[in-house]
Amino acid sequence: DSGVTQTPKHLITATGQRVTLRCSPRSGDLSVYWYQQSLDQGLQFLIQYYNGEERAKGNILERFSAQQFPDLHSELNLSSLELGDSALYFCASSAGSSGGVYEQFFGPGTRLTVL
Amino acid sequence: GENVEQHPSTLSVQEGDSAVIKCTYSDSASNYFPWYKQELGKRPQLIIDIRSNVGEKKDQRIAVTLNKTAKHFSLHITETQPEDSAVYFCAASKKAAGNKLTFGGGTRVLVKP
Repeated sequence: DSGVTQTPKHLITATGQRVTLRCSPRSGDLSVYWYQQSLDQGLQFLIQYYNGEERAKGNILERFSAQQFPDLHSELNLSSLELGDSALYFCASSAGSSGGVYEQFFGPGTRLTVL
Repeated sequence: GENVEQHPSTLSVQEGDSAVIKCTYSDSASNYFPWYKQELGKRPQLIIDIRSNVGEKKDQRIAVTLNKTAKHFSLHITETQPEDSAVYFCAASKKAAGNKLTFGGGTRVLVKP
């Protein structure tokens, strides 16, 4: 168990809908990263938050957004869902951001299926 | 941006033999190189990592080597066991990019008993 939690484990929804994925980092970790894992694209970085502020952005679609709350949990919002958004979504947490190099520990993931 | 390539994509070895996975990266500013093991449907688990100021690191049956000049790093697993069967991912990151991980495409390792 990495100490990172994600809910829900599974999510099945229809095209055009909106969903919210939730992540709680390890105790004391300030950074949260979101990654998407699909069969054809592998593990892709989406976005990073550090202590409530956005720090880095990957190839995240405009339909996707995220935020980190004062208690450091993070939510990833996916809207106008398409079939191609079906994937495993992982969050990872680490102790810091740019002050040094920090290991990232992954949560169990949320499997999103868009029908 | 950073690009990480990983080879081979699949690797089949006999139990007890060694397995080697190789990765190359493009950004010479990258300074942290972790390796993750992922079993089917599970989270990626950090198994070993190396920083750019170190050339080699060992942890029991697992070792990682880094060649900064050639911009490549490798994972070595000795005395493989059936429980080593999984998908292995290499990654690279740098402080300037918030330490976000850029992953290789993964290597599916099968250890045959």
